[in-house]
Amino acid sequence: DQQVKQNSPSLSVQEGRISILNCDYTNSMFDYFLWYKKYPAEGPTFLISISSIKDKNEDGRFTVFLNKSAKHLSLHIVPSQPGDSAVYFCAARRGVSATNKLIFGTGTLLAVQP
Amino acid sequence: SQTIHQWPATLVQPVGSPLSLECTVEGTSNPNLYWYRQAAGRGLQLLFYSVGIGQISSEVPQNLSASRPQDRQFILSSKKLLLSDSGFYLCAWRRGRGIGLYNEQFFGPGTRLTVL
Repeated sequence: DQQVKQNSPSLSVQEGRISILNCDYTNSMFDYFLWYKKYPAEGPTFLISISSIKDKNEDGRFTVFLNKSAKHLSLHIVPSQPGDSAVYFCAARRGVSATNKLIFGTGTLLAVQP
Repeated sequence: SQTIHQWPATLVQPVGSPLSLECTVEGTSNPNLYWYRQAAGRGLQLLFYSVGIGQISSEVPQNLSASRPQDRQFILSSKKLLLSDSGFYLCAWRRGRGIGLYNEQFFGPGTRLTVL
């Protein structure tokens, strides 16, 4: 039962254009969402997050949009750079708790072509 | 600043052999600690988490176990490895214990385990 889904296993974008990575979730109790970036043979690094009380959060070239009614979030990277090539994971947290467990999607491999 | 270490970086073990992977966090106190596995072509699966010394919760039934002998040390173990235990193992920490403002988890560099 995959509660967080990234239906596109890969995405190819030209340098300078916009990259849009999508994530869908099924559990309406999720209240906080995060995006991580992962290079091969390294641990994921935190990129950007959004609370369910917001619909947009922006940090430099990265913007995350949340559509609660559709249970959908997306990560926009503008402009895309070759160094952005990596696997991107979205993750969701189910409510505030001491454990703060995150549920991750399966990831999308982004390739930015020079 | 906080840092998280994992070792070894890579490991090749025969089926049936024991396993011990270690994770330590520096620069913080009372962190939540987590073990994840990334199997080939799959996402990050949470295996264990700990909110304090000696407190371990398991997310999925499996061949592995975890221990937290010290506040900033988290160990993943197995008595007898299976082929299906191969994967990329990641340790993560979250600042502070309990319900709070800190939601992000920070990951270590990972250990690539190959069971032959």
